[in-house]
Amino acid sequence: SQQGEEDPQALSIQEGENATMNCSYKTSINNLQWYRQNSGRGLVHLILIRSNEREKHSGRLRVTLDTSKKSSSLLITASRAADTASYFCATDGGRDDKIIFGKGTRLHILP
Amino acid sequence: DAGVTQSPTHLIKTRGQQVTLRCSPISGHKSVSWYQQVLGQGPQFIFQYYEKEERGRGNFPDRFSARQFPNYSSELNVNALLLGDSALYLCASTGGYYGYTFGSGTRLTVV
Repeated sequence: SQQGEEDPQALSIQEGENATMNCSYKTSINNLQWYRQNSGRGLVHLILIRSNEREKHSGRLRVTLDTSKKSSSLLITASRAADTASYFCATDGGRDDKIIFGKGTRLHILP
Repeated sequence: DAGVTQSPTHLIKTRGQQVTLRCSPISGHKSVSWYQQVLGQGPQFIFQYYEKEERGRGNFPDRFSARQFPNYSSELNVNALLLGDSALYLCASTGGYYGYTFGSGTRLTVV
């Protein structure tokens, strides 16, 4: 089963524009993470935001978390061709630290 | 330092056969998790091991089994392979708060 649901499923934007992806989840969480995956290869950890945090930045990435709405967003500013990838949110909330992924957003940056 | 290493990278098996996939975590990481990713979907949680003990199990049949060794490396075994087992199998290790580190995965094709 999947906890998170990313929106949109696919997104195409021009290079240089900002890309925003959203994630909604169902149950209480300890933290939420965003990962990137290039062409069906391994996932790369981008950023982790705790349940008591509302916003976090890392380079061109900005993540927000609204626990009242059970949602998060990932903003990539000034997109580049190399940002073309699938982006997944993942949540954990149990006693163990396993994480559950959503279905992902496929981002395509147009030259 | 080496990242998470998985072997083999690609594998083709026939229906009904058995397969063993291997994973070596980052040095010092004691937790290993296994995920199955079918094309176009998000990774699905299979197992998590910590200190050689099973800590969590996803919704997979008993044909799937795993173990963790004293050096924290891990094996995932799948018996009686079905066509639907064709997927990218991802291994991840974690040492705590900063998220998972994934290997590049093993692409399993069942014919």
